[in-house]
Amino acid sequence: AQKITQTQPGMFVQEKEAVTLDCTYDTSDQSYGLFWYKQPSSGEMIFLIYQGSYDEQNATEGRYSLNFQKARKSANLVISASQLGDSAMYFCAMNPNSARQLTFGSGTQLTVLP
Amino acid sequence: DTEVTQTPKHLVMGMTNKKSLKCEQHMGHRAMYWYKQKAKKPPELMFVYSYEKLSINESVPSRFSPECPNSSLLNLHLHALQPEDSALYLCASSQDLTVPNEKLFFGSGTQLSVL
Repeated sequence: AQKITQTQPGMFVQEKEAVTLDCTYDTSDQSYGLFWYKQPSSGEMIFLIYQGSYDEQNATEGRYSLNFQKARKSANLVISASQLGDSAMYFCAMNPNSARQLTFGSGTQLTVLP
Repeated sequence: DTEVTQTPKHLVMGMTNKKSLKCEQHMGHRAMYWYKQKAKKPPELMFVYSYEKLSINESVPSRFSPECPNSSLLNLHLHALQPEDSALYLCASSQDLTVPNEKLFFGSGTQLSVL
């Protein structure tokens, strides 16, 4: 069975500061994908960043980077230079090769303060 | 076009009503999904269609009936729902279930209230 753990129900960050959202995972699969999605109050799940289990380099997409530590089974999201529009719920998710479906963590509600 | 379009955005229905949620994508994706999401919770998988055939049913009650008329459309037919079925219903699509580690594209969801 697959499991994703996000231990921070809520986080606050000052505008223009960086913030790290934690995510740990558990799977017996050797091949899997790790994803971060953003869900604003409007409801849409917006894809942010992807890391494959065999990727040696950490993924980056603009202000988003994924700090992938395979031995620790962690996939933390780093948002640099936070903006007010970054306030949203953030979900970490995993898609192991054997399951072919996303398993989501419980989410972290990020609030960016002006 | 990287959009998944869901209609309606909001729906209020009584427990004896029959209604349908619609989802459309034009990305050529062959896998489509229905998720249910309660407030402040992660999405929960309901159904997965692959090449217009039902591939996964996560033990969803029969008052929810999915339908995939063609590769671009996915419907969720609702009948005799309960108040606890009130939730955000998200549709998603991906390129192909056989491709590992696939990214899902989500729609904006239908906020359903059952009275």
